[in-house]
Amino acid sequence: EAGVAQSPRYKIIEKRQSVAFWCNPISGHATLYWYQQILGQGPKLLIQFQNNGVVDDSQLPKDRFSAERLKGVDSTLKIQPAKLEDSAVYLCASSLDRESAREYFGPGTRLTVL
Amino acid sequence: DQQVKQNSPSLSVQEGRISILNCDYTNSMFDYFLWYKKYPAEGPTFLISISSIKDKNEDGRFTVFLNKSAKHLSLHIVPSQPGDSAVYFCAASGGNTDKLIFGTGTRLQVFP
Repeated sequence: EAGVAQSPRYKIIEKRQSVAFWCNPISGHATLYWYQQILGQGPKLLIQFQNNGVVDDSQLPKDRFSAERLKGVDSTLKIQPAKLEDSAVYLCASSLDRESAREYFGPGTRLTVL
Repeated sequence: DQQVKQNSPSLSVQEGRISILNCDYTNSMFDYFLWYKKYPAEGPTFLISISSIKDKNEDGRFTVFLNKSAKHLSLHIVPSQPGDSAVYFCAASGGNTDKLIFGTGTRLQVFP
């Protein structure tokens, strides 16, 4: 079974630039999550999708972050404009459905904002 | 507001001995708890979970204990192996949300 795929793995940008991350969940998984993990902290949920609808985006900084899940499969997370404090690993995860607490994580994208 | 806390940022254990990783939570509505293991440059991988209706769950060398009255859970690894060296995250869910709340992680190092 193929796991959760993410790209790019690493990205370095300057502040005020924009950046986008891509995620392909495990086939058949209806629920998709984007997490932000700052160094020394645990993953923090940014947004949760159920198919192509948003379930929870309460912790997404909507003035600069946006995410979409076209056709309920792949997802992109965008930051525009980036700030220094956005430097983190961005993890995508998927689960079979909302009731399944077990989430499968991708390898993450490490973002450095200079 | 850190609802899930892992107060030990690191732990060093000799190979063959027991590793005990601790986790405390504040939200009494949490009813499902998970442990994830994370190697460098990889995403977290699921290790073991426990429902609040149980106080112990075992899977091979890994056992999770839940003390609801103390709002405390622990992960025991016996015997510890060098390949267990990783960061371990405790996570919880329940109440009015199905999202996972993660702790800050404990870095376990198993030395020969």
